[in-house]
Amino acid sequence: GDSVTQMEGPVTLSEEAFLTINCTYTATGYPSLFWYVQYPGEGLQLLLKATKADDKGSNKGFEATYRKETTSFHLEKGSVQVSDSAVYFCALISIRGGATNKLIFGTGTLLAVQP
Amino acid sequence: DGGITQSPKYLFRKEGQNVTLSCEQNLNHDAMYWYRQDPGQGLRLIYYSQIVNDFQKGDIAEGYSVSREKKESFPLTVTSAQKNPTAFYLCASSIRHRDRDTGANVLTFGAGSRLTVL
Repeated sequence: GDSVTQMEGPVTLSEEAFLTINCTYTATGYPSLFWYVQYPGEGLQLLLKATKADDKGSNKGFEATYRKETTSFHLEKGSVQVSDSAVYFCALISIRGGATNKLIFGTGTLLAVQP
Repeated sequence: DGGITQSPKYLFRKEGQNVTLSCEQNLNHDAMYWYRQDPGQGLRLIYYSQIVNDFQKGDIAEGYSVSREKKESFPLTVTSAQKNPTAFYLCASSIRHRDRDTGANVLTFGAGSRLTVL
């Protein structure tokens, strides 16, 4: 079945460091890919998305490119801030005829940014 | 402002008791979902509903029940049959999927309810 694999955390960085959180997927059909972020004690918020191969999603300085050839959707940011500390979830929806909006999530990666 | 409201934020339950978690949305979304979050396991789908008076089991529906009598509301009952109910529960909603290009895949989440069984 469809699945998402993301790197285990925690990822600990100093402020202004470069961030990469790896995400790979397995899916049939034509998946759309997402990154959601969860700040402490809160629900999830959509960070960015890409709906087809080679699309780049971007938001708040974060970017991810949909790579069909490597089945990847790695999250990157050039310079992290303490306020970026959160849990990041990679997710997919595999679109088939009549499919529902059933997001499949990775296990989440905790990012801790130190001043 | 439109959004999803979950209540209560924290809930304690004795073993053998049923408990109902509330989820209300004013986004005019057709579809609603319940997820369970456990450390190291990500989110797992419990139940979802695409339309009023209709719902389907997700991946871990055993020990849970839902109803969808109103578009705005999708309460989740954690029954005594759920063997390990202590978790963080997240409700979400979206517009109903009809076309892959409509952007119907984006879910809006509530702030969550943390249930602890004593």
